[in-house]
Amino acid sequence: GNSVTQMEGPVTLSEEAFLTINCTYTATGYPSLFWYVQYPGEGLQLLLKATKADDKGSNKGFEATYRKETTSFHLEKGSVQVSDSAVYFCALSANTGGFKTIFGAGTRLFVKA
Amino acid sequence: DTGVSQDPRHKITKRGQNVTFRCDPISEHNRLYWYRQTLGQGPEFLTYFQNEAQLEKSRLLSDRFSAERPKGSFSTLEIQRTEQGDSAMYLCASSFIREETQYFGPGTRLLVL
Repeated sequence: GNSVTQMEGPVTLSEEAFLTINCTYTATGYPSLFWYVQYPGEGLQLLLKATKADDKGSNKGFEATYRKETTSFHLEKGSVQVSDSAVYFCALSANTGGFKTIFGAGTRLFVKA
Repeated sequence: DTGVSQDPRHKITKRGQNVTFRCDPISEHNRLYWYRQTLGQGPEFLTYFQNEAQLEKSRLLSDRFSAERPKGSFSTLEIQRTEQGDSAMYLCASSFIREETQYFGPGTRLLVL
């Protein structure tokens, strides 16, 4: 079945450091890929998405490229801020019945001032 | 529209009691999804509706769980005879039919004592 694997956290970085959170997936067909973010005490928010191979999703300085050959969708940001501290979830959605979304376990990011 | 809303935000109950949660999706969204998120894990799919029809249920949804969407608008999720293992965050999301992006509510955090 479909699944998502992402790097374990927590990840602790200093402000302005470079961020990479690895994500790989297993899926039949051609899923859409997502990164969601969950700030403390809040619900899930869509951060970015990509719907086909080689697409790059980007938002708020974050970006991720849909790599079909390596089945990956790594999240990157060139310079993190304290306000980026949150839990990040990689996810996929395939039209195998209602686009239900399969999530990774989440990676907690702490950014120190 | 203010997004997906869920009520209550928090619920504490004793083992064996019944609880009911409500989700109000973004208006005009045809699809409504329920997920469960336990501590340190990503959300897991429970069930989804297209308009008032419940089209898929996960194996996670035991006989003690029932969900309804009687008029194709709001939805309720009821858990009967709660167990401590039911303690989790219950998330609701909605989307248009052919749209893979889902919009999440803030969740209902359930604690079963």
